[in-house]
Formats: sequence, C-alpha cells, structure tokens
Amino acid sequence: DTGVSQDPRHKITKRGQNVTFRCDPISEHNRLYWYRQTLGQGPEFLTYFQNEAQLEKSRLLSDRFSAERPKGSFSTLEIQRTEQGDSAMYLCASSLGEGGPQHFGDGTRLSIL
Amino acid sequence: GENVEQHPSTLSVQEGDSAVIKCTYSDSASNYFPWYKQELGKRPQLIIDIRSNVGEKKDQRIAVTLNKTAKHFSLHITETQPEDSAVYFCAASIRGGSYIPTFGRGTSLIVHP
Repeated sequence: DTGVSQDPRHKITKRGQNVTFRCDPISEHNRLYWYRQTLGQGPEFLTYFQNEAQLEKSRLLSDRFSAERPKGSFSTLEIQRTEQGDSAMYLCASSLGEGGPQHFGDGTRLSIL
Repeated sequence: GENVEQHPSTLSVQEGDSAVIKCTYSDSASNYFPWYKQELGKRPQLIIDIRSNVGEKKDQRIAVTLNKTAKHFSLHITETQPEDSAVYFCAASIRGGSYIPTFGRGTSLIVHP
C-alpha cells in the first residue's frame, strides 16, 4: 500500500507530557497537511507544507504545537505540555501540486489522561 | 474565512432508496468542492469532487450538483446499499494557492437492509 501512513495509530499519555506523531505522505506528493478531528466534527486545518516549507498555520496551532518536514518527505507534529483539550484524532493528508485532491492517512488518535 | 454548513447531521434510509446531503458555503471565491466518506475508525476517502466551472458530475451511483449563485452543493446517492453507511463530509476551498478546504460537520448516513 503506497498511501499516506501515520504512526502511531494510538497514543495515550498523561497531561503535561510531550508527544510526537509522524506522517509519511504518498511519495511523489509535494504538499502535506495536518488536521485535527474531534467527535462529530469535520477535519480542522492545522498547518501545511509545500516540500519542506511550512506555508500556513491555523490559529488552532498554539505555541505548544510545532510541525516539521525537514527533507520535504515525511513530517512530524509535536505537541508539548499536552492538555485535556488536545485529545483528538490527528490526520495527515498529502496532495500533488496546486489543487490536487488530498489523500488522508488513518490518523493518530491521541488520548490525554 | 469560509464557513460550510452541512445538513442533515443524520440520514436514515432503506436499502435501495436515494440519499441527498446538502451543503452551503459562504465564500464566493471557493471553486473546488470535494466530498469525503469516512467509515468508523478509518481515514476520510475522496469519493467525488466538483469544480466551479461544472454544474453536475456523476460517477456510477454518486452525483454532485453545484449552484454557484446560491452557493450550495449537494451529494446524491442512488440505489443505496448497506456498505454506503458512513459519515460523509463536504468541503469547500479555493483551488490554486494554499487550497485549504473547510469541512462541514458531516452527515451520518445509515442504510438499513
């Protein structure tokens, strides 16, 4: 399967801990997006990269969140000092070019104890 | 920013019936409208999309219509099957540039055998 892959699938951690998620996009896709999805809601945009450049960040992305895509391939999303409100599904999507359809990964479900 | 409203939140139909899900958007500059299907615990999957220069698009049992003047678009599923049961999300975005979609809150479609 050469689709978008995310790791881990599930993460349970205590409040105040740091967590890091990884996303591997479809290999030829130059754009990579991060979303957050909570129960009963559609995905909410967090940030996106074109190649290695982070081009836009949502107001949802507080200072505790940081994302990287160092070589324009895989990306990481780190959340520092996690809070209860960070519990959600974190989805990654990738696309080819400007306006290409986005293909999603299975997501990482984060639960904060 | 863009605001997407989606109705109904839940739709229950008998197998073989048709299902219609409606979305409205606020930004007249939006020109790309994808629809995603998300089964429980799985990734959102693109099922059909439409661009603003087209009024209708069909793919087998699925069709999408767009009314730019009224700023609304709809998903039509004919001859529904139990495997169509899922949450469906509409989205609106501006193709070109950042292409960041704004998603609706989703419609839970239940097809009863």
